[in-house]
Amino acid sequence: DIQLTQSPPSLSASVGDRVTITCRASQSIGNYLNWYQHKPGKAPKVLIYVASSLQSGVPSRFSGSGSGTDFTLTISSLQTEDFATYYCQQTYTIPYTFGQGTKLGIK
Amino acid sequence: QMHLVESGGGVVQPGRSLRLSCAASGFTFSSSTLHWVRQTPDKGLEWVAEISSDGSSKYYADSVKGRFTISRDNLKSTLYLQMNSLRAEDTAMYYCARDRGNDDYGNWFDPWGQGTLVTVSS
Repeated sequence: DIQLTQSPPSLSASVGDRVTITCRASQSIGNYLNWYQHKPGKAPKVLIYVASSLQSGVPSRFSGSGSGTDFTLTISSLQTEDFATYYCQQTYTIPYTFGQGTKLGIK
Repeated sequence: QMHLVESGGGVVQPGRSLRLSCAASGFTFSSSTLHWVRQTPDKGLEWVAEISSDGSSKYYADSVKGRFTISRDNLKSTLYLQMNSLRAEDTAMYYCARDRGNDDYGNWFDPWGQGTLVTVSS
């Protein structure tokens, strides 16, 4: 199975901060990498698909980059509603796997 | 607006069975590949199973293979997960999700339901 390692596991930041979360795959996955936001009691929501495509309706402060084994999710200016847990996911091959998550909290 | 609603979760004893349902609306269900994903505090998000639009192709995580069965009823726009021989480690929130994209471009899950909780305990 392809392992995805996210860092950091948790992060405290302030409104207006620039935040970067990384995801490293155990083997090359091309650009078959997606990012999700998950808030307690709510459905997970896709933010970025195929590494760098912004999902319709998602604010432009979210961006994704990378290919092969190294990927990043960047929030350019953190807003209150962005405090949540973020997951990367590879859909290069079954079994599809997720990173362990990055919990973004308020400083 | 696309919408998925899971149901059927609950508390069940080890070794028993449970069937989850996922009702869909707002998109062409019969053209969509669908997934089940579960979440536990220990393991995070774990993909469980996939079913093709016509139900002819099914894939499973090794952890559930032989015990869980994914199926669908395109006339009812409903996805199912039959879970047999349940174990304590199957305790999780179970989500259904629609597959978007394709094998050439890449695929992602959107939307997801809000989940149904399964607790396996004696």
